[in-house]
Amino acid sequence: DAGITQSPRHKVTETGTPVTLRCHQTENHRYMYWYRQDPGHGLRLIHYSYGVKDTDKGEVSDGYSVSRSKTEDFLLTLESATSSQTSVYFCAIRDREGSYGYTFGSGTRLTVV
Amino acid sequence: DAKTTQPPSMDCAEGRAANLPCNHSTISGNEYVYWYRQIHSQGPQYIIHGLKNNETNEMASLIITEDRKSSTLILPHATLRDTAVYYCIAQGSGGGADGLTFGKGTHLIIQP
Repeated sequence: DAGITQSPRHKVTETGTPVTLRCHQTENHRYMYWYRQDPGHGLRLIHYSYGVKDTDKGEVSDGYSVSRSKTEDFLLTLESATSSQTSVYFCAIRDREGSYGYTFGSGTRLTVV
Repeated sequence: DAKTTQPPSMDCAEGRAANLPCNHSTISGNEYVYWYRQIHSQGPQYIIHGLKNNETNEMASLIITEDRKSSTLILPHATLRDTAVYYCIAQGSGGGADGLTFGKGTHLIIQP
């Protein structure tokens, strides 16, 4: 499986502050994804990318932006964090072409106080 | 994407085969059945996928009924480490960029 790392692993931030989460892959996989997971909702897609500078919105994109300036990095930004964005965030890469075979990162637990 | 229905929870004794059912009665001809699992606090892990033939890999076997309206994931010799939430997903072949759609899954508890 391709290497995929998320940083930070844990973060506590105050309401109204900007926050950026990073997803880094060690191989040249084209597709990268950001999900959030909350009790009672399961995993929901926030944004995804299908190449450098090519991104699109997922199911729950409001309040989030993303950037992909290099193949290996996919950044998720909360411009002004709110308590409703307290969640666990997972990054994923599609490392099995032509199928939904994904590898997920270990997650970032974000708390907005 | 076809809707899938799974039992919310199941128990299985350690060492026995765990059989996890999934109903996907509205699945279309080009949709695959994917199984993922999520062990507490970790990211989901790919297990197996199939279209209409039964599939087996080092982790599990996938049995899809002939009419493709349901499937069963089989963990042949369950261990305590197999305790996790298992997600059954029916979705297209993945040629596009859009991501997986997760439901609530089945919480499988392996009992010692």
